[in-house]
Amino acid sequence: QVQLQESGPGLVRPSQTLSLTCTVSGGSISSGNFYWSWIRQPAGKGLEWIGRIYPSGRTNYNPSLKSRVTISVDMSKNQFSLKLSSVTAADTAVYYCARVTWLGNGASTAFDIWGQGTMVTVSS
Amino acid sequence: QSALTQPASVSGSPGQSITISCTGTSSDVGGYNYVSWYQQHPGKAPKLMICDVSNRPSGVSNRFSGSKSGNTASLTISGLQAEDEADYYCSYTSSSTVVFGGGTKLTVL
Repeated sequence: QVQLQESGPGLVRPSQTLSLTCTVSGGSISSGNFYWSWIRQPAGKGLEWIGRIYPSGRTNYNPSLKSRVTISVDMSKNQFSLKLSSVTAADTAVYYCARVTWLGNGASTAFDIWGQGTMVTVSS
Repeated sequence: QSALTQPASVSGSPGQSITISCTGTSSDVGGYNYVSWYQQHPGKAPKLMICDVSNRPSGVSNRFSGSKSGNTASLTISGLQAEDEADYYCSYTSSSTVVFGGGTKLTVL
């Protein structure tokens, strides 16, 4: 079955760029009606959608983060990545990657497979 | 797009039924059936429980059901069990964005 695994530094300095990678195993990142997304969750708080990428490379981002976010895909490695620039302490969170399944009806999608999450702390 | 509104907490006794609401606007929840629900246990990744307002993915217990009335979607859990104690999040997806509710902590008394 398809599994997702996040990887990247657990500590990032303020004003630097946070970089994470999600490796997809058990299936091709380019197959089917699937998109790929990043979601984060500060400790004790709710979920915040960061953005998504289609196999074509087209992206959608959370308007509140759009100026700092880049999501990209590497088909050859079956991975997709997140870069978040100019980070502050407010970006400290658990970061999840997730598969987005198109449900066949207009814009209807759902996050059907999640990675286990990786904690990223922004601190000097 | 504003976050969807959920109650901060709900509680119920084993065997009872509870309902968690998720309120949006006529531009999102009220306009389309693009609402999903996720269950999250402490320290774990969220799990998809309901999609398209009322569809249950394979493997999800039929004690979980979803519905919608106007601008409010609802998740109902019947026959509450201790293992249902978790945080629950609704979400709405559009062609350009995704928004989550603030989350509801379910306590099984």
